[in-house]
Amino acid sequence: KAGVTQTPRYLIKTRGQQVTLSCSPISGHRSVSWYQQTPGQGLQFLFEYFSETQRNKGNFPGRFSGRQFSNSRSEMNVSTLELGDSALYLCASSLGGSQEKLFFGSGTQLSVL
Amino acid sequence: QQQVKQSPQSLIVQKGGIPIINCAYENTAFDYFPWYQQFPGKGPALLIAIRPDVSEKKEGRFTISFNKSAKQFSLHIMDSQPGDSATYFCAANPAGTASKLTFGTGTRLQVTL
Repeated sequence: KAGVTQTPRYLIKTRGQQVTLSCSPISGHRSVSWYQQTPGQGLQFLFEYFSETQRNKGNFPGRFSGRQFSNSRSEMNVSTLELGDSALYLCASSLGGSQEKLFFGSGTQLSVL
Repeated sequence: QQQVKQSPQSLIVQKGGIPIINCAYENTAFDYFPWYQQFPGKGPALLIAIRPDVSEKKEGRFTISFNKSAKQFSLHIMDSQPGDSATYFCAANPAGTASKLTFGTGTRLQVTL
């Protein structure tokens, strides 16, 4: 069974640009959640999508958005990039139950110059 | 109240030693406490998890001890090996929100020969 796939692996953008990251969950998983990982703030929850609907949201500004498609694939968008958005963005998938195991991808390393 | 405090920040043990990583939480709504292991360049991977109705759980060389009254939990790694060298994160989430994990700040473990 293929794991969680995130593309691209690395991305370099400049301030003010926007970026879209992609995540393909494990087959059969309906929940996709996104996390930001930085050395200073650690791992922080961004949002979760389940059956194409945002089910949970973290404390990030509206510049961070996402969506989920009918095949459970998800995209995350960050508009008007800031230097502080440089981070490893991790996607995790699960079946969607209340205490399901999360499976993380290897992440997209975003650098904002 | 959403924080999970983790210590130590880093830990060096010899092969065969028993590293112990501690976490404390404040939010009494948390009812699921997983531990994740992360290697460089990879996403976190679930090691073991516990619910507050159990005081200890063991899976292979990994053991979680849980003290509900003190709101603390810890990870013990028995007979540690160089391959266990990684960063370990404790986490917690409230009932019904498996994807919305609050992570500790991480412990970088190095197991020497």
